[in-house]
Amino acid sequence: QVQLVESGGGVVQPGGSLRLSCAGSGFTFNSFSMHWVRQAPGRGLEWVAFIRFDGQNTFYAESVKGRFTMSRDNSKNTLYLEMNGLRVEDTAVYYCAKDPHYYDARGYFHQWGQGTLVTVSS
Amino acid sequence: DIQMTQSPSSLSASVGDRVTITCQASQDIDNLLSWYQQKPGKAPKLLIYDASNLETGVPSRFSGSGSGTDFTFTIRSLQPEDIATYYCQQYYSLPELTFGGGTKVEMK
Repeated sequence: QVQLVESGGGVVQPGGSLRLSCAGSGFTFNSFSMHWVRQAPGRGLEWVAFIRFDGQNTFYAESVKGRFTMSRDNSKNTLYLEMNGLRVEDTAVYYCAKDPHYYDARGYFHQWGQGTLVTVSS
Repeated sequence: DIQMTQSPSSLSASVGDRVTITCQASQDIDNLLSWYQQKPGKAPKLLIYDASNLETGVPSRFSGSGSGTDFTFTIRSLQPEDIATYYCQQYYSLPELTFGGGTKVEMK
């Protein structure tokens, strides 16, 4: 079955950097677009970033544009989120999520990882 | 940006009650809306997509309806395991995706 396993979360100071990873298994990783979604403590869900199945296009929420970079290595079935210039308001659980459609993205989240916590604090 | 307004933000109901949650989009999104269930400490789970299609394996007491700007999510007969927070999400403006604020469902 589909499995998505995030890693790389932790505590970082404001202005610092962190790289999250998401390992996918149980599906043809290179055929599906992927997303990052985050949830601040006690708050709702916020879409963060999207990458096409082939890695050719990426899109970001305004709140992270210019600071976060999403990428993927289809040879390793792994998704990444490089986070720079971290702010206190970036503190959240970060989930990777799989789009439901082969190749052409639909835009909703078919399966989710368990999440990894990023805490930005001095 | 398309804004999604979800109501109520919380509700309390008894086992067997019919529960209804609404989601309103700031512009026409056709039927490009999904619903998720999130239990404390867990990842969200897809329940409904394209406004009214039930995801495989989801109990039939869950349903969705609507099109355009107004949508409804219904639990026909609330069960104890349905205690969770529910979110709507629009994907009309892919890749800019937005969620509603969530509805916390508690047991009376």
